[in-house]
Amino acid sequence: GAVVSQHPSRVICKSGTSVKIECRSLDFQATTMFWYRQFPKQSLMLMATSNEGSKATYEQGVEKDKFLINHASLTLSTLTVTSAHPEDSSFYICSASSSKTQYFGPGTRLLVL
Amino acid sequence: GQQLNQSPQSMFIQEGEDVSMNCTSSSIFNTWLWYKQDPGEGPVLLIALYKAGELTSNGRLTAQFGITRKDSFLNISASIPSDVGIYFCAGQLASGGYQKVTFGTGTKLQVIP
Repeated sequence: GAVVSQHPSRVICKSGTSVKIECRSLDFQATTMFWYRQFPKQSLMLMATSNEGSKATYEQGVEKDKFLINHASLTLSTLTVTSAHPEDSSFYICSASSSKTQYFGPGTRLLVL
Repeated sequence: GQQLNQSPQSMFIQEGEDVSMNCTSSSIFNTWLWYKQDPGEGPVLLIALYKAGELTSNGRLTAQFGITRKDSFLNISASIPSDVGIYFCAGQLASGGYQKVTFGTGTKLQVIP
C-alpha cells in the first residue's frame, strides 16, 4: 500500500505555543489530504480536508483560525495548532487520498502542558 | 461529526476462534473500508470494498459490502495473538469533489493465547 509519513511522531509543548505537524505522501501525489483527531479510546474524527493549492475545508465545530492547514505541494500538508492549550492534547492523524482509498500516517501525539 | 455504528464494541476470544464484527449506517456509502489500529499507530488498511454485494478476502480476513450499501462485516478466521488491536470500519462517499471517509466506533479485539 501507499506510504504516508508524519513528523514529529510526538511533541510536548507549553500552553500558548504553536505546533506544526507535517504529513507527507512518500510514493504518490495526493491532491487531497485529510486531518483527523483521535482522543483516547475513541474513533477518528475528521477535522478538515486539505486541498493542494486551495483553502482547506473544515468540519463543523473545528476552528479554522486555531488549526491552520497548508497544502503547498502534492506531497505535503501541514497542520499548525496555534496557541495550544491542554484540551488540544490528542493524537493527530493525517491521510492522503490515492485514487479510491485513503492511506493513513502513523500519527502525531501532542501533549500540551 | 457522524459515526457509523460498529459492533461489538469489544470482544475477548480464544486463539484459533473465528471473529465477526459489523458496521451499520443510516446512509449509503460507495466504498466500505476496514482498518486495524495498534496502540499509538495510525490505522492500516486491511480490506477495501467498492461494489454492493462484493465479498473480498485478504488472507484470514474476509469482508463484505452489504447489498443495501448501508452495512459491512469483517470476519477473521483462526485468530492469532497478533490480531489484537482495534478494528475500524469506514464508509467512503464522494463529497465536494473528494472522497470523504466516516469512521465507525471501533471494535477492540483481544485474543487469549
